[in-house]
Amino acid sequence: GQSLEQPSEVTAVEGAIVQINCTYQTSGFYGLSWYQQHDGGAPTFLSYNALDGLEETGRFSSFLSRSDSYGYLLLQELQMKDSASYFCAVSGGGANNLFFGTGTRLTVIP
Amino acid sequence: EAQVTQNPRYLITVTGKKLTVTCSQNMNHEYMSWYRQDPGLGLRQIYYSMNVEVTDKGDVPEGYKVSRKEKRNFPLILESPSPNQTSLYFCASRLTGSNYEQYFGPGTRLTVT
Repeated sequence: GQSLEQPSEVTAVEGAIVQINCTYQTSGFYGLSWYQQHDGGAPTFLSYNALDGLEETGRFSSFLSRSDSYGYLLLQELQMKDSASYFCAVSGGGANNLFFGTGTRLTVIP
Repeated sequence: EAQVTQNPRYLITVTGKKLTVTCSQNMNHEYMSWYRQDPGLGLRQIYYSMNVEVTDKGDVPEGYKVSRKEKRNFPLILESPSPNQTSLYFCASRLTGSNYEQYFGPGTRLTVT
């Protein structure tokens, strides 16, 4: 089966950097994705890592280490609008399935 | 505008009364999927479809049915809803073989009493 672990809550100060970790167990691995969800909204895609290393997209970066079954999402220059839930998801056990973690609620404070 | 639409957005129903939640996408995506979201449990996949007439079970398929007769539509059917199916439901689509960038609909909040 698949399992993902990520912290349930993180609080950070506006302008700071925050890292949200995700560890996973899956039978067969194709990639790690990150999604953002604001309260009352739908999840929106942020990034995807299929290979080890860092992917950067503006203020957001995502890292993957397949040997450690670990990844993280790095948010820089935090803004109040970044307050949301962040989900990691693995494609595993068949490339067609996407399994989500339980989400990390990020609160950005002034 | 590229989007995934769902209807209804909110639904309150009673146990055992069949219902259908519609999902439609205008991006010509082959892959479509249904998820339910419950507090503390994240998003769990119910069913997915790789293309027309091709569907498969996800993580929590019990009590649900789907069909894919047209590429753009992927309705979710609850033939006999029960209170434990009270949840927030999301439809999503993506291109097959994409980098797993899924586009989600706005969600349907279902309450079964």
